[in-house]
Amino acid sequence: KAGVTQTPRYLIKTRGQQVTLSCSPISGHRSVSWYQQTPGQGLQFLFEYFSETQRNKGNFPGRFSGRQFSNSRSEMNVSTLELGDSALYLCASRTGTGASNSPLHFGNGTRLTVT
Amino acid sequence: KQEVTQIPAALSVPEGENLVLNCSFTDSAIYNLQWFRQDPGKGLTSLLLIQSSQREQTSGRLNASLDKSSGRSTLYIAASQPGDSATYLCAVSYSGNTPLVFGKGTRLSVIA
Repeated sequence: KAGVTQTPRYLIKTRGQQVTLSCSPISGHRSVSWYQQTPGQGLQFLFEYFSETQRNKGNFPGRFSGRQFSNSRSEMNVSTLELGDSALYLCASRTGTGASNSPLHFGNGTRLTVT
Repeated sequence: KQEVTQIPAALSVPEGENLVLNCSFTDSAIYNLQWFRQDPGKGLTSLLLIQSSQREQTSGRLNASLDKSSGRSTLYIAASQPGDSATYLCAVSYSGNTPLVFGKGTRLSVIA
């Protein structure tokens, strides 16, 4: 069974640009979550999508947005990039139905560098 | 505020030693707790998930315990190996469909 796939693995952008990251969950998983990981702040929750609807949202500015497609694949977009957006962006999936006693499965992340 | 703390931030042990990693959480009304492993530059690998009604879970050389009343969990690694070197993160879920709250991890180095 294929794991969570994130593309691209690395991105270098300049300030002011925008970027789109992609995530394909494990087959059958309907919940996709996004996290930002930095050395100083650790893992911070961005948002979660379930059946194409945003189910939870973290405390990030509106420049960060996401969506989920009918095949459960998800994208996140960051507009007007800032230096502080440099981070490892991790996507995670789980079955998502009912309670959250299904473990979260993570992809290998997209390393975004903003110069 | 719901917070998860992991102490120490880094730990170095000789190969073969048994070790314990600690995780504490401020709000004891958890739904479940999950331990992850992260290798440098990679994503997180789920190791163990303990439901709030459970006291411990075991997988191979790993044993995780949960004490809700004291707001603590421990991850016990038996007979450590250099391949166990990684960052170990603990994360707590407070209800069925809310996001996990992560600790900042303990970076473990097992020296051959």
